[in-house]
Amino acid sequence: RKEVEQDPGPFNVPEGATVAFNCTYSNSASQSFFWYRQDCRKEPKLLMSVYSSGNEDGRFTAQLNRASQYISLLIRDSKLSDSATYLCVVNRSVRGTSYGKLTFGQGTILTVHP
Amino acid sequence: GAGVSQSPSNKVTEKGKDVELRCDPISGHTALYWYRQSLGQGLEFLIYFQGNSAPDKSGLPSDRFSAERTGGSVSTLTIQRTQQEDSAVYLCASKLGGGIVDTQYFGPGTRLTVL
Repeated sequence: RKEVEQDPGPFNVPEGATVAFNCTYSNSASQSFFWYRQDCRKEPKLLMSVYSSGNEDGRFTAQLNRASQYISLLIRDSKLSDSATYLCVVNRSVRGTSYGKLTFGQGTILTVHP
Repeated sequence: GAGVSQSPSNKVTEKGKDVELRCDPISGHTALYWYRQSLGQGLEFLIYFQGNSAPDKSGLPSDRFSAERTGGSVSTLTIQRTQQEDSAVYLCASKLGGGIVDTQYFGPGTRLTVL
């Protein structure tokens, strides 16, 4: 089983739609969580961190459920520019060290069409 | 300010040749990571540097892969006797410290094609 699993999609939605992505992680020692965005043939860029209390940044809302080891990302009022691959990312300390190691999901492809 | 830079941006090589990929992290960032992303795949961790030492090399796929970092700054990933399955985008990321809080910033990647 992969440490971080995402529905690869693709999700094809019209402008203005609301779309939700889900992600599960298997390592209960995971400590911090992120969503990254990766445009075609570009590097990943941090979209937002994910907190247990849930957090919102404009049209984007992220949720974390530690008990279920589940992370979500909700995008409201989709824009054409939201088309990208969304990567679920989990960070944990490597046992015996103080450093963090990111594990990436395979990504969910979103295409927003006019 | 300047972000993470990588060179070359594209590299085409013949099977069996050695290649060197370079990463210049953000100035002052002590942690540096190398990842590989194959077509349609997620990011695969290769190696982590804290300063000049590599406490985690667990992702290097074979002994043909090696990496070093000098002066706590520039890192070089070397692939010896390249194989076609080495074709991928090699991404470097850096972050300020070694803990779990800081954000990783990625470079644009080197697209390696082994013919």
